[in-house]
Amino acid sequence: TQLLEQSPQFLSIQEGENLTVYCNSSSVFSSLQWYRQEPGEGPVLLVTVVTGGEVKKLKRLTFQFGDARKDSSLHITAAQPGDTGLYLCAGEETTDSWGKLQFGAGTQVVVTP
Amino acid sequence: DTEVTQTPKHLVMGMTNKKSLKCEQHMGHRAMYWYKQKAKKPPELMFVYSYEKLSINESVPSRFSPECPNSSLLNLHLHALQPEDSALYLCASSLTGGQPQHFGDGTRLSIL
Repeated sequence: TQLLEQSPQFLSIQEGENLTVYCNSSSVFSSLQWYRQEPGEGPVLLVTVVTGGEVKKLKRLTFQFGDARKDSSLHITAAQPGDTGLYLCAGEETTDSWGKLQFGAGTQVVVTP
Repeated sequence: DTEVTQTPKHLVMGMTNKKSLKCEQHMGHRAMYWYKQKAKKPPELMFVYSYEKLSINESVPSRFSPECPNSSLLNLHLHALQPEDSALYLCASSLTGGQPQHFGDGTRLSIL
């Protein structure tokens, strides 16, 4: 079973600060997805990365997929209280586990005004 | 608003009850999923349906019985559940297997 290690587990920052969340594995993923989940709601898909070295930007959020497709990072610039939530990375396992996502443990981000 | 709709939002049931959770999507997705999520933990996969056929069962106890009546609907039938089954049950769908998954807001299930 592939293991996705996500760090840190918890981040508390002030509005306007930057933050980075990491997702690492010893295994290769065909794609990796980032989600944000707020209390009482389901995870919302933020981005999917599929190509090694890929960088995607979504407003103040920057996502990077490692060259070897084993790791990924999420960087938030000038965080706002609306960025508060549980951030989950999830990797698509390789061919013999079609459709099966391996989730990281999640990073709880709290942005205070 | 999510495009995957789950009902009910909350469910409280006794250990001897029979109930069903419902999930619906009209995005033309042909893969649908059931997950279980405990507080402060990531979702855990339970079942995967592909083109209305069960393709993955993650060794889920038989007191959980999935059903996919058509390409838009996914049900999870519950019977004789245990208190430890209390959790948020999430449904997700994707265009096909291996494509990004879109989640509903879940059903919060409490077993008395």
